[in-house]
Amino acid sequence: QVQLVQSGAEVKKPGASVKVSCKASGYAFMNKFMHWVRLAPGQGLEWIGIINPSGGSTSYAQKFQGRVTFTRDTSASVTYMELSSLTYDDTAIYYCARQDYDDYVGFLGLDVWGQGTTVIVSS
Amino acid sequence: IVLTQSPATLSLSPGERATLSCRASQSISNTLAWYQHKPGQAPRVLIYGASTRATGVPARFSGSGSGTEFTLTISSLQSEDFAVYYCQQYASWLLFTFGPGTRVEI
Repeated sequence: QVQLVQSGAEVKKPGASVKVSCKASGYAFMNKFMHWVRLAPGQGLEWIGIINPSGGSTSYAQKFQGRVTFTRDTSASVTYMELSSLTYDDTAIYYCARQDYDDYVGFLGLDVWGQGTTVIVSS
Repeated sequence: IVLTQSPATLSLSPGERATLSCRASQSISNTLAWYQHKPGQAPRVLIYGASTRATGVPARFSGSGSGTEFTLTISSLQSEDFAVYYCQQYASWLLFTFGPGTRVEI
């Protein structure tokens, strides 16, 4: 079945970087854009950015520009999110989510989500 | 594009009607989706194109609106509907944003 499986929880010190992976299975990896979204304690969902697995092009929310990098390994159907210069405010659950899309209708929503990766920033 | 949602919290009983609002800072036509999020679970898409239900979403969920004003309506709340609901705009292609969410509680 279609699923996204993310890497395990991470604990990082302020100023460090974290790299989270998202392995896709059950569908044509290159055909669906992938988003990254986070949920911080007491906050709402926050969109981080998007990657096109086919060409590798990316777009990031302005808040994360210069601090986040998305990459992918097409041979393994894996997408990566690396966030640098971590602060306590980056403590959150990070999700990858597949974008569903139809050539006639357009965007159909983020229809498949990973299980989430908890990142804790602590000294 | 900034999205605002109201109310922040909606306290209702099972069987009641829930009306959630989402407002965009500029016109986004109908490029709006709604998601449901329960604790410990991944979010679930309910509505896209402002008013089209996603696959498998019960008919009690409906979306309406265009431009800057949008509404998600749950016609008769079921116990499993108590959750946080987010709107998401995709008018700015490749620059998506979520609203702050509305918590629907018993």
